[in-house]
Amino acid sequence: DIQMTQSPSSLSASVGDRVTITCRASQYISNYLNWYQQKPGKAPKLLIFAASSLQSGVPSRFSGSGSGTDFTLTISSLQPEDFATYYCQQSYSTLSITFGQGTRLEIK
Amino acid sequence: QLQLQESGPGLVKPSETLSLTCSVSGASISSSTYYWGWIRQPPGKGLEWIGTIFYSGSTYYNPSLESRVTISVDTSKSQFSLRLNSVTAADTAVYYCARGDNGSKLQIDYWGQGILVTVSS
Repeated sequence: DIQMTQSPSSLSASVGDRVTITCRASQYISNYLNWYQQKPGKAPKLLIFAASSLQSGVPSRFSGSGSGTDFTLTISSLQPEDFATYYCQQSYSTLSITFGQGTRLEIK
Repeated sequence: QLQLQESGPGLVKPSETLSLTCSVSGASISSSTYYWGWIRQPPGKGLEWIGTIFYSGSTYYNPSLESRVTISVDTSKSQFSLRLNSVTAADTAVYYCARGDNGSKLQIDYWGQGILVTVSS
């Protein structure tokens, strides 16, 4: 299995801050990397696919980058509605899709 | 607008079989553009992919669950289903059905609302 490791596991930040979350794959995954946002009691929501493509309807303050094994999700200016848990997911291995453990973004 | 709705028992006894159905509306379940899958989330924990079924009927399962899982599609009812055998308390989770994009990077672009399944006697 391809292991996905996110850092940090949790993060405190303030409205207006720039925030970066990283995701590292245990082996090469090209750009088969997607990012999701999940709020308590809700299903995850797709933010970024193919490492850097913004899903339709997602605000432009969200961006993604990376290729190979190292990836980042950046929120350029945190808004109150952005406080949530974020997951990366690799889809390079169709035989075994895996998620990162999640990064909980909290209000400072 | 695509909608996915999970249904099934919210309580299953240990050693029995968990069976869930996902009803799809607003899109063709037979389209080659998409795949269908199940993901679960134990209370307070992260997301775990269970398995995927493509329009061709090909299925892929999480290796850790493969011996106990079956995913199938009923195109006539626009539904796909999950069966998980020999459940234990560790299978207690919110189960999500989802649609993935088979034409891009297999991202999951639609999720059901989720259904909590508790394994307990």
